Order: sequence, then structure tokens, then C-alpha cells
Amino acid sequence: SQQGEEDPQALSIQEGENATMNCSYKTSINNLQWYRQNSGRGLVHLILIRSNEREKHSGRLRVTLDTSKKSSSLLITASRAADTASYFCATDGMNTGFQKLVFGTGTRLLVSP
Amino acid sequence: KAGVTQTPRYLIKTRGQQVTLSCSPISGHRSVSWYQQTPGQGLQFLFEYFSETQRNKGNFPGRFSGRQFSNSRSEMNVSTLELGDSALYLCASSLEASFDISYEQYFGPGTRLTVT
Repeated sequence: SQQGEEDPQALSIQEGENATMNCSYKTSINNLQWYRQNSGRGLVHLILIRSNEREKHSGRLRVTLDTSKKSSSLLITASRAADTASYFCATDGMNTGFQKLVFGTGTRLLVSP
Repeated sequence: KAGVTQTPRYLIKTRGQQVTLSCSPISGHRSVSWYQQTPGQGLQFLFEYFSETQRNKGNFPGRFSGRQFSNSRSEMNVSTLELGDSALYLCASSLEASFDISYEQYFGPGTRLTVT
């Protein structure tokens, strides 16, 4: 079963707009990661944020983590058509073992030109 | 540096058959994980290998098995295929692996398995 739930399930925006997606999880974690998947292909790692961090930036991406609320958000600024993909959060729950990522349900992002 | 490669990319099998999928991690990566992705269940962890040892296993029946070779290449096997095994099987490798911290994983393109 999936630990993470993502919201919204789908998001449609215009190029240049910002996209925000949220992830909630159930158990304590070591870190949380965000991945992107283009239609039916492998996942691409975007960013990793550790449980003792609250915010992290990478290019146009901004990730926040609130461990008290067991939630994270991914913000993509100035979106482009090439950002169209599904986005997943993944957590490694404490005491669940090595490299065992538990993925959320994903948010499908559509960026229209 | 070459990425994670998976072979074959597409596979069609019949119920009851068995299948072996292969994964070559990024050079230098010693941890290899496998995931199953279906529309209904999403992405689910199958197992993880490090230095030829299975260190973690997801909640899948014993029909699903895997192994890792000394060069870190990994294979997974599914025996007695069922229709519900139709999925995208993804392999991921990572450089480091420790008990209490996970690291970013690099995914291959996946193997699309269709069971008829």
C-alpha cells in the first residue's frame, strides 16, 4: 500500500504559471524525495529533502517539508510545456529498511503552451 | 556515465509462464531496487539488493524473486505469471546505502510486461 497521498491528482496550467503539488505521508521519515515521470517511462529524481530540513531549492523547484504535519509541497515556478509529467513524492519510513521508497499516488501536471 | 539500463523493454507472456528481467545499474552503484508500477496500485517496492544480498523485500508473493551478481547487475524473476502481473517494472540504482538514510535513486526506463 502507498504511504503518500498527493494532491491534487491532476493539475492543468498555462506556461509561465506556477504549479504547486502537495504530498502527505503517514509515518516518521528519514527523508522525502520528489520524482518526475514522463508518460510510461522511468522516474527522474528531482530533489531530496532530509527530515531536519524545512526548505530546499533546485533551479525552478522549491520543496518544503513539515514533519509535524507529515506533509511536503513541490513548487515549480515559471512552468514550461516540458514540465508536463507525473510527479511523485517518495519517503523512506524510519525502520523500514534500506532504500525502500514508498511512493505517493502522484500528481499529473499538464502545462499548456 | 551511462544510465541504468533494463532489458528487455517490452515483453509479452502467457499466463503460467515465467519471465526474467535484467537491470544494469550505473557504474559504481552497488544498491539495486526493483519496483512494480500499475494503474491500480501505483508504484510498489519489490526488493532491494546490495552487494549480492537481498536486504529488503516488499509485500509480494514468493513468485517474485531476484538476485544480484558480483558486478551489481540484477535480475528479477516472476514465475507462474498471472494477468495481474502486467505492469511496468522499474529498476533503480543508488551509490550509497546505509541503514538509516536512503539516497537518491536513478531509475531505468522500465520493462513493460504484458501477460495474456
